Amino acid sequence: DSGVTQTPKHLITATGQRVTLRCSPRSGDLSVYWYQQSLDQGLQFLIQYYNGEERAKGNILERFSAQQFPDLHSELNLSSLELGDSALYFCASSVDPRGDSPLHFGNGTRLTVT
Amino acid sequence: AQSVTQLDSQVPVFEEAPVELRCNYSSSVSVYLFWYVQYPNQGLQLLLKYLSGSTLVESINGFEAEFNKSQTSFHLRKPSVHISDTAEYFCAVSSSGSARQLTFGSGTQLTVLP
Repeated sequence: DSGVTQTPKHLITATGQRVTLRCSPRSGDLSVYWYQQSLDQGLQFLIQYYNGEERAKGNILERFSAQQFPDLHSELNLSSLELGDSALYFCASSVDPRGDSPLHFGNGTRLTVT
Repeated sequence: AQSVTQLDSQVPVFEEAPVELRCNYSSSVSVYLFWYVQYPNQGLQLLLKYLSGSTLVESINGFEAEFNKSQTSFHLRKPSVHISDTAEYFCAVSSSGSARQLTFGSGTQLTVLP
């Protein structure tokens, strides 16, 4: 058990809809990361937060947004969903944002857009 | 920019045989290197990491990886695999510095056959 909790585990929704994925980081970790895993794109870094502030941005679409709250949990909002957004979305956390800090991953949220 | 190439997408091997999963990276700055493992329906787990010092790093379950700066490689090896090692293995690189993105390779599916 990594200590990172993601909810829900599965999400099925229709095109055009909006969903929110939730992540609670491991106790003591201040940095949160979001990744998208799909068969054709592999693991893609979306965004990183550290202690409530955005720290780095990857291949995150404008339809997607995220935030980290004062209690350090994070939410990833996906809107105007398209079939291609179907993927496994992982949250990870680390003690700090430095490059030598290993990431601890949650079990992911599987999003299916129909 | 940094990138990771995992040369083999699938590696089948018989139980108790040795295995090597290949990983090459590119980066313009000093790097940290990681191997993560993903079992079915789970998130990624850190297997081992190279930060500095000895170029040979080991995991608790018998895997080892060697950092080769001249060849920009970080291959993963195990002298004798078990059925339970069947999983997908991801090589990842992050740069030194205060803000990091962990960039993953496309993954290698290791299947251990009885």
